[in-house]
Amino acid sequence: SAVISQKPSRDICQRGTSLTIQCQVDSQVTMMFWYRQQPGQSLTLIATANQGSEATYESGFVIDKFPISRPNLTFSTLTVSNMSPEDSSIYLCSVEGGIAKNIQYFGAGTRLSVL
Amino acid sequence: GENVEQHPSTLSVQEGDSAVIKCTYSDSASNYFPWYKQELGKRPQLIIDIRSNVGEKKDQRIAVTLNKTAKHFSLHITETQPEDSAVYFCAATSSHTGRRALTFGSGTRLQVQP
Repeated sequence: SAVISQKPSRDICQRGTSLTIQCQVDSQVTMMFWYRQQPGQSLTLIATANQGSEATYESGFVIDKFPISRPNLTFSTLTVSNMSPEDSSIYLCSVEGGIAKNIQYFGAGTRLSVL
Repeated sequence: GENVEQHPSTLSVQEGDSAVIKCTYSDSASNYFPWYKQELGKRPQLIIDIRSNVGEKKDQRIAVTLNKTAKHFSLHITETQPEDSAVYFCAATSSHTGRRALTFGSGTRLQVQP
């Protein structure tokens, strides 16, 4: 399985600021994804991070609010922009790793609190 | 798009009993169905998965069954132990379409009483 490093692990931010979350994988992977998990809830896909092109966003998520970079096959960032308390959540990156398709592994997540 | 429903939302069993969690999916193109276990404050961990070309898969105390006709799949945990207490998520996706992200169910909080 892929080893995923995600940082920061947690942060407390002020309203109106931005936070960039990093996701580093120990091997090259084709598919990387960003999910949001609100307290006590399930995981919701924000976007698929595409290497060398713009991310593909899910309904309800826009690039201006959640810009994503994917400069190579081992690294991606998610920025949460102009934060409000409603953005308080856990943000998780995942990768499709291994020989078999579809198997996804998750980073440890970033616990974000916005004051 | 895909929609995955999961039941029950909470499940409490006595240690040693069996636990069953059920999910239904809507997209007939889905062909991969993983189950994740998430302990408090931890990342989701893949515990078992099944592809649409098989009806059942077992790994020690856990098993998953799939009914493609009815579009539902279930997680079975036998001889439950306190360390099985966690939130379990089912998910679905397709390896054939361009969108390979997982669609998750709403989760089941399993409590195993010692």
